[in-house]
Amino acid sequence: QLQLQESGPGLVKPSETLSLTCSVSGGSISSGGQYWNWIRQHPGKGLEWIGYLYYTGITYVNPSLKSRLTISGDTSQNQFSLRLNALTAADTAVYYCARGQYGGNWFDSWGQGTLVTVSS
Amino acid sequence: YVLTQPPSVSVAPGETARISCGRNDIGSKRVHWYQQRPGQAPVLVMFYDSDRPSGIPERFSGSKSGDTATLTITRVEAGDEADYYCQVWDVGTDHQVVFGGGTKLTVV
Repeated sequence: QLQLQESGPGLVKPSETLSLTCSVSGGSISSGGQYWNWIRQHPGKGLEWIGYLYYTGITYVNPSLKSRLTISGDTSQNQFSLRLNALTAADTAVYYCARGQYGGNWFDSWGQGTLVTVSS
Repeated sequence: YVLTQPPSVSVAPGETARISCGRNDIGSKRVHWYQQRPGQAPVLVMFYDSDRPSGIPERFSGSKSGDTATLTITRVEAGDEADYYCQVWDVGTDHQVVFGGGTKLTVV
C-alpha cells in the first residue's frame, strides 16, 4: 500500500525559503500514470492545490505561486520536493503531499500533512 | 473556474445529505470528492463523478446534472460529520487542479 510522508521545518522566518520533501513508499515516483501533488490548507480554511510533478519531470503549478515555487523529484530516493521562496505569514498552512491518478488526477493517497508556520 | 459549494449542510441521523458543487462547465469535467475530519488528511470518497473507492460505504454516491455535481450520503451517521470538498482537473487550463470551498456536514 502506498504511503507518503512529508518532512521539513515546522517554523520558518519571513522572506526565507521553505523546503519540504515527500517520501514515497509502496510505489515509485518514476512509474507512469501517477501525478505527485502538493496541496496546502491554511488554518481553518479549504484546500489549495500547489502543483504536481509527473514522472517525466514535467511540472504544473498554481499560477498564484508560480513565481516563488519549484517542484522537483529525486528518483534515487523516491522522493519529491517543494521549494517556496519569499515566504510571508500567508504561507502558514498545513502542507500535504498526495498521489494523483492518471486520467483525472484524483488524490487517492495522502500524507498526514505537516504544519508550517511562517513567523519571525 | 471556481467550484461553488454550500458552506454548511445539516441533517439528522438516518436522513439523507446532499452536498452540491456547481460550475457552469462541470458537465464536461470529472468531479472527485473528499471527506476531511478535524485534524486529519482528506480521504477520497468519490472519483470520476460516481465511482466509489474500495472501503467507502455504499451509502455514499455521486451524480451530476446540468451545472451541478452532487455527493449524496444516505442513512447519515454521526461519523459522517466532516468537511467535504469537490475537485476537478482543468487539463485545458494548464493542468490546474481546482477545489471547491468545502461544505461542513453537521449531523444534528
